Amino acid sequence: DADVTQTPRNRITKTGKRIMLECSQTKGHDRMYWYRQDPGLGLRLIYYSFDVKDINKGEISDGYSVSRQAQAKFSLSLESAIPNQTALYFCATSEPAGGASGETQYFGPGTRLLVL
Amino acid sequence: AQSVTQLDSQVPVFEEAPVELRCNYSSSVSVYLFWYVQYPNQGLQLLLKYLSGSTLVKGINGFEAEFNKSQTSFHLRKPSVHISDTAEYFCAVGYEKLTFGTGTRLTIIP
Repeated sequence: DADVTQTPRNRITKTGKRIMLECSQTKGHDRMYWYRQDPGLGLRLIYYSFDVKDINKGEISDGYSVSRQAQAKFSLSLESAIPNQTALYFCATSEPAGGASGETQYFGPGTRLLVL
Repeated sequence: AQSVTQLDSQVPVFEEAPVELRCNYSSSVSVYLFWYVQYPNQGLQLLLKYLSGSTLVKGINGFEAEFNKSQTSFHLRKPSVHISDTAEYFCAVGYEKLTFGTGTRLTIIP
């Protein structure tokens, strides 16, 4: 079974709709991240969480919100979707800095979102 | 603040030829450096990383990278590529939070 899973894998929605993307992990990591990937722009950090009570904005958090329901679950919401939020969204996890895996981030398979 | 520059958005290479994918970074503090690979329709996976110590780092699938502090570079190399190396490659820099480059698409020509 995959260590980091994302649901749904593909989603089509309409402008103005609220949607939620979910991420679950079985790696036991405290740290979780949400990125979006756009062609030619690489990955950009939306939000990150270093533990269940810690939520931080990334470089492009406007229009997004997150919820850390448990150590293993981190959800991303688009409150009112717009077409320029069409992108590939990735969740990732990592150990704390200095941990055995040395800051390596482990990625889920991604959610492809299309906003019409 | 930290940033990463991948100068080449696309690199075509003949099968069994060597390849170098370039990465330059900037940071005001010491950081870790990473190369990730994304195969078609998949998530990212770690190729290799530099944390400290030897500046030549070996990773999976025959790739290696050299950390050059004076040139602030972390170029990725492979002496002989295969069709299966077709993918997008991302350089990343950071400590606790990663900043990714814009990616280099490696295309292998049979």
